[in-house]
Amino acid sequence: GNSVTQMEGPVTLSEEAFLTINCTYTATGYPSLFWYVQYPGEGLQLLLKATKADDKGSNKGFEATYRKETTSFHLEKGSVQVSDSAVYFCALSKAAGNKLTFGGGTRVLVKP
Amino acid sequence: DSGVTQTPKHLITATGQRVTLRCSPRSGDLSVYWYQQSLDQGLQFLIQYYNGEERAKGNILERFSAQQFPDLHSELNLSSLELGDSALYFCASGPKTGLFTEAFFGQGTRLTVV
Repeated sequence: GNSVTQMEGPVTLSEEAFLTINCTYTATGYPSLFWYVQYPGEGLQLLLKATKADDKGSNKGFEATYRKETTSFHLEKGSVQVSDSAVYFCALSKAAGNKLTFGGGTRVLVKP
Repeated sequence: DSGVTQTPKHLITATGQRVTLRCSPRSGDLSVYWYQQSLDQGLQFLIQYYNGEERAKGNILERFSAQQFPDLHSELNLSSLELGDSALYFCASGPKTGLFTEAFFGQGTRLTVV
């Protein structure tokens, strides 16, 4: 079956540090890949997405590139802020209208 | 604001009881997905409805059931509740067409079973 594996947290960083959260997936074919973010006390929000190999998704300074050869979709941000403290989820979907399969989530804490 | 509304936001109930969680999807979305988020299980897909019909089933217990009504809102019914059912329950909705699924999540219902 489909699965998503992401690095366990928590990840603790200082403000302006570089953030990387690793995500790898197992799926047949060409899934769409997503990063969702959950701020404290809130629901999940779509952060960025990529629908085919070598696509780069980007939003709010975050980037992730769909790497088919390594089945990865690592999330990066060059300079984090305290407001980036949240839980980040990597997810995949096999086809339009299909459910999302999520990784376990990675908690990120950015300290001033 | 995602446009997905879940009620109630918080629910405290006793073991053995039954509760109903409600979800109103974004205007125009035909798909509704239910997820359970717990500390030990992470985000687990429960069930999906599309335009009133069950489309996919995940790790949903037999004590749980759901439906989607003609106005597209959905309800998740949890019965014979156990302490382990305490979790955050999310509803998400998605568009009827497109090359991929982009789900929009509500803020969740936090269920505490005591």
